[in-house]
Amino acid sequence: DTAVSQTPKYLVTQMGNDKSIKCEQNLGHDTMYWYKQDSKKFLKIMFSYNNKELIINETVPNRFSPKSPDKAHLNLHINSLELGDSAVYFCASSQDMGTGELFFGEGSRLTVL
Amino acid sequence: DAKTTQPPSMDCAEGRAANLPCNHSTISGNEYVYWYRQIHSQGPQYIIHGLKNNETNEMASLIITEDRKSSTLILPHATLRDTAVYYCIVRIQTGANNLFFGTGTRLTVIP
Repeated sequence: DTAVSQTPKYLVTQMGNDKSIKCEQNLGHDTMYWYKQDSKKFLKIMFSYNNKELIINETVPNRFSPKSPDKAHLNLHINSLELGDSAVYFCASSQDMGTGELFFGEGSRLTVL
Repeated sequence: DAKTTQPPSMDCAEGRAANLPCNHSTISGNEYVYWYRQIHSQGPQYIIHGLKNNETNEMASLIITEDRKSSTLILPHATLRDTAVYYCIVRIQTGANNLFFGTGTRLTVIP
């Protein structure tokens, strides 16, 4: 059983399209995250949710909208995709928002053409 | 913002100990030192963390200097599967504080 699973693993799409990436964790954790890793391999926090509530929003364009239907799921919807959105997006979870021990998914590689 | 400094790359012979250094000279008293690694094309993996005492688990040992301005991650018997980018991160343990991943150290284990 994968602890943190993301779908799809690969996503290729045209500029201007809208796409979603889904994330689920079966660890019973309260806190979930989205990180973005760009072509230079820098890994940056985008969002953090704790018990379905937005905790961290790190200067991410409004085109990115996270949604947490329950504390086991954190989905990422991206509107009007741009070339610069091409990256690997990692979902992660942690027991609570105090701990720094995060469990990451395998990543979703988004390519915008 | 990066609060840690790590060498960009290191090599280690298979079977030998890999010692990965990290400088965090501006660390605060309530900040922990965390280590993660990222194997190619995978998500980051938590390794170990500590505050001021040395820590050991099944993966690695963490040695923190007495003044807490630097630390060393030790992989006691490196294998080829330990080839990865290793990230040293400082973080306070309370509240909504995200992990800042810097550029890390690319460790290559050589057969």
